[in-house]
Amino acid sequence: DVKVTQSSRYLVKRTGEKVFLECVQDMDHENMFWYRQDPGLGLRLIYFSYDVKMKEKGDIPEGYSVSREKKERFSLILESASTNQTSMYLCASSLWGTSTDTQYFGPGTRLTVL
Amino acid sequence: SQQGEEDPQALSIQEGENATMNCSYKTSINNLQWYRQNSGRGLVHLILIRSNEREKHSGRLRVTLDTSKKSSSLLITASRAADTASYFCATDYFLIQGAQKLVFGQGTRLTINP
Repeated sequence: DVKVTQSSRYLVKRTGEKVFLECVQDMDHENMFWYRQDPGLGLRLIYFSYDVKMKEKGDIPEGYSVSREKKERFSLILESASTNQTSMYLCASSLWGTSTDTQYFGPGTRLTVL
Repeated sequence: SQQGEEDPQALSIQEGENATMNCSYKTSINNLQWYRQNSGRGLVHLILIRSNEREKHSGRLRVTLDTSKKSSSLLITASRAADTASYFCATDYFLIQGAQKLVFGQGTRLTINP
């Protein structure tokens, strides 16, 4: 089974802090994604990566950056955390280039910014 | 927006009854997928239906797709307490380099009462 892990289940940070959220997948997937999930807004794509060192903006990239130095690891970075970034963050991965891609999700990180 | 919309937003039924959730979307799709999310956890893929399919079964799950109406339904038969979760439909479109973006609806929260 594909396993996607995230570094923390719960995280509390202060406004202005730099925050790193880590995601690791063990199935050699090319694609990795970061979403945030908010009540009433559903899941929204922040960034995705289709290969090592390659990244593309999703729908709401402002205030975030990402890093993918190794195929299995995709990091989401909040350069200067703000209270409006309090959310559930979900990482996902998928195989490359098929028309029936299934995304495999990690358990999520619930981030609170005070 | 291509976002799907689930209906109803919340559904509460007795154990053993059938649960039906609906999803509508706005643009042409390649595939439509359904995911389940247990409270505070990541999403788990349930079933994928291709745009040229009308119905698909997987265990107690039955999915239908009507591309002329841009709608899909998920039926869970003989519901169990463990089916209590939020259910999301997701439509796809391709990003660059073979990565596939999923656009999620806001979900139906299903509660199975014992």
